[in-house]
Amino acid sequence: SQTIHQWPATLVQPVGSPLSLECTVEGTSNPNLYWYRQAAGRGLQLLFYSVGIGQISSEVPQNLSASRPQDRQFILSSKKLLLSDSGFYLCAWSVMGQGMAQYFGPGTRLTVT
Amino acid sequence: SQQGEEDPQALSIQEGENATMNCSYKTSINNLQWYRQNSGRGLVHLILIRSNEREKHSGRLRVTLDTSKKSSSLLITASRAADTASYFCATGTTGGGNKLTFGTGTQLKVEL
Repeated sequence: SQTIHQWPATLVQPVGSPLSLECTVEGTSNPNLYWYRQAAGRGLQLLFYSVGIGQISSEVPQNLSASRPQDRQFILSSKKLLLSDSGFYLCAWSVMGQGMAQYFGPGTRLTVT
Repeated sequence: SQQGEEDPQALSIQEGENATMNCSYKTSINNLQWYRQNSGRGLVHLILIRSNEREKHSGRLRVTLDTSKKSSSLLITASRAADTASYFCATGTTGGGNKLTFGTGTQLKVEL
């Protein structure tokens, strides 16, 4: 069966510090991968998605970047965090194709102080 | 931007009652999906309905889709306390990447 891991679960970082969140998927090959951010009490905002190694599409201009160095690894980064980067970050995967369900990791709660 | 808007924003019912949540969206879609999120957790996929389908069932869940009104509803029958969660609709289009656009969610509370 497929599983998706995210770490860390919670993170408190000062403004201006770097960020690296990691997501890995097991039990599938060539998945589509996604990074979302969820503000408190709100819906999900798609930040990045990837259909293959090294292929990253950015959905919104922002202080963050994403990379996919391996087929089942997706990394969200920032060189310098802003207060507005605080939120709940969720990684998800789906099989390739259209009209497929997405499967989410447990999320990372990021607080920028 | 948010494509879907759920209604109501919050819903409180007694165990055993039915819960109905509605979702409206703005553009043409390929499919619509419903997800559940327990507090502080990741989302769980519940059901997917394609644009050429009008109704779909899965256990105690019933989803309808009206593409002419650009709306969908999720019915949970015989609700249980464990159904307490936030419910989100998400729309998919025919563009690349199987991207979804999520709505703002309905917070459902089922009381004993």
